[in-house]
Amino acid sequence: EDQVTQSPEALRLQEGESSSLNCSYTVSGLRGLFWYRQDPGKGPEFLFTLYSAGEEKEKERLKATLTKKESFLHITAPKPEDSATYLCAVQAGYSSASKIIFGSGTRLSIRP
Amino acid sequence: ETGVTQTPRHLVMGMTNKKSLKCEQHLGHNAMYWYKQSAKKPLELMFVYSLEERVENNSVPSRFSPECPNSSHLFLHLHTLQPEDSALYLCASSQVYGGNNQPQHFGDGTRLSIL
Repeated sequence: EDQVTQSPEALRLQEGESSSLNCSYTVSGLRGLFWYRQDPGKGPEFLFTLYSAGEEKEKERLKATLTKKESFLHITAPKPEDSATYLCAVQAGYSSASKIIFGSGTRLSIRP
Repeated sequence: ETGVTQTPRHLVMGMTNKKSLKCEQHLGHNAMYWYKQSAKKPLELMFVYSLEERVENNSVPSRFSPECPNSSHLFLHLHTLQPEDSALYLCASSQVYGGNNQPQHFGDGTRLSIL
C-alpha cells in the first residue's frame, strides 16, 4: 500500500537552531515529491518539487533533498517567521492516472 | 487576481441546508481538485477534474456534488451534511492531470462548520 509518513509530528526550535524534517515514502512508481508550507487559516503554499534521487533544491533557509526512500527538509538558522506546518506529498503511479498522497505534516515552531 | 481563490472563507450551515463552495483559478491550469482537511489527518482527495471532465471520485458521499463548468471554475454543492463533515475544504489546480512533477497550487480554503 502506498504510504507517506512525516516525522516528527511537531518540532520546537530556538531561533538559529538548525534541524531537519523527514518524509519517508513507500510508493509504486514515484513521479514527483513535493514540499508545501501551510500557515494557520491558509492553504498549502508550494515550496519545492523533487523527482530524482540525489536531487536538491534550495530556497532561503530551506533545502530539500531526495533519496529513493525519503526526503529531508533542512532548515538552517530558522527565524520565528518559519513557524508553520510543513507538508510532504508524493505523486505516484505508472499510468496516466497517477495519485497524490499527502503526509500528516510536521508542525514547526521557532522560539525567538 | 492571481492564484486560486475560494469563497466563502467561512460557512456555518445546518444539517438540512443546501450551500455551494466556489473555486476560481487564474493560472491557466487544466486540472482542478477538491480536498478535505481535518485536524491532524492528511489531506483527503475528494474529486479531480481534468479539462472539465471528472476523472476521480474517491468514494465521497453523494451529499457532496462537484461541478466544473469550465477549466477556471470549480464548485462543490453541499446538501444534508453531517457534523463529521465539518472541516477545511481546499481547492487546488495543476497544469495538467497525470503528468510527472505536477505540483498543485492551493486556495486558502473554506472553513465549514455543520451545526
